[in-house]
Amino acid sequence: EVQLVQSGVEVKKPGESLKISCKGSGYSFTSYWIGWVRQMPGKGLEWMGIIYPGDSDTRYSPSFQGQVTISADKSISTAYLQWSSLKASDTAMYYCARRGTGVDYWGQGTLVTVSS
Amino acid sequence: EIVLTQSPGTLSLSPGERATLSCRASQSVGSSYVAWYQQKPGQAPRLLIYGASSRAAGIPDRFSGSGSGTDFTLTISRLEPEDFAVYYCHHYGSSWTFGQGTKVEIK
Repeated sequence: EVQLVQSGVEVKKPGESLKISCKGSGYSFTSYWIGWVRQMPGKGLEWMGIIYPGDSDTRYSPSFQGQVTISADKSISTAYLQWSSLKASDTAMYYCARRGTGVDYWGQGTLVTVSS
Repeated sequence: EIVLTQSPGTLSLSPGERATLSCRASQSVGSSYVAWYQQKPGQAPRLLIYGASSRAAGIPDRFSGSGSGTDFTLTISRLEPEDFAVYYCHHYGSSWTFGQGTKVEIK
């Protein structure tokens, strides 16, 4: 069974760093693109970037380029999304998702709250 | 950068009625990499349609997708109570973009 399992809820202060994770199982992790998607409270889906774990080819949305870093460790089938300095406006639900036929599998989401 | 515009923003319908949701791209995107998702409160999106018109595994046949180029449509032939949700179109080529969503609410 294909699964993407994300790390848990995070509560951080502005200026802190953060790295959240997405672990894939039940399929060849290196053969499928993984994307990260932001959903701010009460709002729609926003694409942040995608990574191909097989060779770490990474592409960012212009809106998120320079704001976050996407990486992957294929040895443990895990993709990451990280921030070096969080802002209150980073408060959102973050989803990872696999691009198969369509974006067919989604993680359960990681809720990030940034508040002083 | 491709922009996807969905209409209407909200669709108020009764169970049993037909729902027609529209998604327009700012430039031609072919049809191979257009998908539709359903999202309910507190849940991750669920894939309904990929490649503009192919139903994902386990999706009832009351859901259908069509279109190519710049205009795409998701049709729900007869709304069931569980279909009231937010629907997003998505282009998932070498970069991704989502429409802003259409909420299908109970009239």
